[in-house]
Amino acid sequence: AIRMTQSPSSLSASTGDRVNMTCRASQDIRSNLAWYQQKRGKAPRLLIHAASTLQNGVPARFSGSGSGTDFTLTISCLQSEDFATYYCLHYYNYFALTFGGGTEVEI
Amino acid sequence: QLQLQESGPGLVKPSETLSLSCTASGGSISSSSHYWGWIRQSPGKGLEWIGSIFYSGTTSYNPSLESRVTLSVDTSTNNFSLRVDSVTTADTAVYFCVRHLGGLVRGVLYMDVWGQGTTVTVSS
Repeated sequence: AIRMTQSPSSLSASTGDRVNMTCRASQDIRSNLAWYQQKRGKAPRLLIHAASTLQNGVPARFSGSGSGTDFTLTISCLQSEDFATYYCLHYYNYFALTFGGGTEVEI
Repeated sequence: QLQLQESGPGLVKPSETLSLSCTASGGSISSSSHYWGWIRQSPGKGLEWIGSIFYSGTTSYNPSLESRVTLSVDTSTNNFSLRVDSVTTADTAVYFCVRHLGGLVRGVLYMDVWGQGTTVTVSS
């Protein structure tokens, strides 16, 4: 199985900040990575797929980068509605899909 | 716009079977570009992919759950279902039904549509 490790597990930030969080895969997954945002009591929302492709309707302040084993989600100018938990997901061919443990972005 | 809605009992006794259904509206599950799946979320184990099914019945399961899980699909009613046998308290979670991008060639890819989730508690 491919393990996904996110860091940090939580971070404190202020509105207007630039925020980075990382996701590391235990083996090469090429660009088969997605990022999700989850607010309390809600289903996760797709932000990015193929490591860097922004999902339709997602604000341009969100961006993703990386390939292979190391990936980054960046929020360029944090807004109040961005305080949430963010998860990465790998979907590399024929391996069981697995999520990272999440990064909680708090005020 | 496609929407998914889970339904099923919120309480299941240990050793019994958990059964959930997901109904799709605003779109057809008979799509060659999508799989239909289940994800669960518990405080102890985070988000966990359970398995996914193509409209023709082709399935893909998480190996850690495969021995206890069965997915089925009913294209006539536009819904798909999850069954988990021999449940324990570790199966207590919020269960989400989802749509995956993908297909028989590309496989099971990321999820782009989620149901709101339903809480299932395993307790006597």
